[in-house]
Amino acid sequence: EVQLVESGGGLVQPGGSLRLSCVASGFIFSNYWMSWVRQAPGKGLEWVAHIKEDGSEKKYVDAVKGRFTISRDNGKNALYLEMNSLRAEDTAVYYCARDKAIVGVNTGSLFDPWGQGTLVSVSS
Amino acid sequence: DIQMTQSPSSLSASVGDRVTITCRASHNIINYLNWYQQKPGKAPKLLIYVASSLQSGVPSRFSGSGSETDFTLTISSLQPEDFATYYCQQSYMTPLTFGGGTKVEIK
Repeated sequence: EVQLVESGGGLVQPGGSLRLSCVASGFIFSNYWMSWVRQAPGKGLEWVAHIKEDGSEKKYVDAVKGRFTISRDNGKNALYLEMNSLRAEDTAVYYCARDKAIVGVNTGSLFDPWGQGTLVSVSS
Repeated sequence: DIQMTQSPSSLSASVGDRVTITCRASHNIINYLNWYQQKPGKAPKLLIYVASSLQSGVPSRFSGSGSETDFTLTISSLQPEDFATYYCQQSYMTPLTFGGGTKVEIK
């Protein structure tokens, strides 16, 4: 069974830092792009960042550029999101998701499956 | 950035109804359009990819259509388990963007 499990969320003060982790199982992790997608409480979905299979390419939404860093460790089947200079507007559930998940079809970046999410709250 | 606009933002329907949700892109995205279902407290689930391809395991009452800027998700006969929020997402270019969501509620 394909599974993604996030951890590392919590309450942090504005300006603080947090590192999220996502451990994958049930598929060959090193064969897939991976993404982080967030959802503020009661709001819609916002893509945050994604990373190529070998980590050589990374892209971010403008709102987090220069503050967040996506990385991966294929030996540990793990995806990370290092978040610095956190703001109140970063408060959200953060999901990791397998990206470009449909093998053999040119779909662009789509997300399947998703983890259960980890809540990040930025507040003083 | 490509803006994705869904309509309606919410709707009320009965079991057995045919439901249609629309998604409009601010630029031509060819067919790089995906649909997700999200139930309260749960992660989203992929339903339809590249506008009209049904993801494995998704019931055939779900279908998608459209191209370029205008897309539609249709549920042919609404079932109790379909009450949820639906999102479209363009996969044409980064930043990847989602529509604002359509909440399907019980009438």
